[in-house]
Amino acid sequence: DAGVIQSPRHEVTEMGQEVTLRCKPISGHDYLFWYRQTMMRGLELLIYFNNNVPIDDSGMPEDRFSAKMPNASFSTLKIQPSEPRDSAVYFCASSTTGTDIYGYTFGSGTRLTVV
Amino acid sequence: GQQVMQIPQYQHVQEGEDFTTYCNSSTTLSNIQWYKQRPGGHPVFLIQLVKSGEVKKQKRLTFQFGEAKKNSSLHITATQTTDVGTYFCAVIYSGTYKYIFGTGTRLKVLA
Repeated sequence: DAGVIQSPRHEVTEMGQEVTLRCKPISGHDYLFWYRQTMMRGLELLIYFNNNVPIDDSGMPEDRFSAKMPNASFSTLKIQPSEPRDSAVYFCASSTTGTDIYGYTFGSGTRLTVV
Repeated sequence: GQQVMQIPQYQHVQEGEDFTTYCNSSTTLSNIQWYKQRPGGHPVFLIQLVKSGEVKKQKRLTFQFGEAKKNSSLHITATQTTDVGTYFCAVIYSGTYKYIFGTGTRLKVLA
């Protein structure tokens, strides 16, 4: 298995532009999580899905952020309009119920820079 | 949002010295996981602890869950340069399936 795949790896955009981050979870995993990592705030959970349904979006900063999971193999995190304070590394992770032996599997992340 | 404290925030050790990081919660935990993130990398799952007082070992790493299930520790014996990175605990509270990550401990090993 190729693991959790995120794209792009790096994104530089101008303030006010729309940004879309993409994630392909591990096949068979029924949970998908979006995290954001910054030096100041650490690893923050933004939203998570179970069987493609958003379960908890309490960590989403504001209305500029939205996330979708149209099917079991794809999710997007969109920021519109982007602001410099959104600069961070965004991680997608997936996991499966039934056993927690393997924990979350994280993707390599997308480093977003908003200038 | 919720945050779980880890201490210390940073630790520099000489290669061969031991290292311990602590994870503390004000409320009882359902279970706890530990992750390692290398510089420039992503978090990688190390282990999960579920039972009160549980102790697990992975080679030079020893993980412990407190008796009251409110704290945990990760101990590395005889650190090596390959141990460099940030160690995170991730906790889960009853009734949820979301892990809240601790603030992390950044370990630097000096050769």
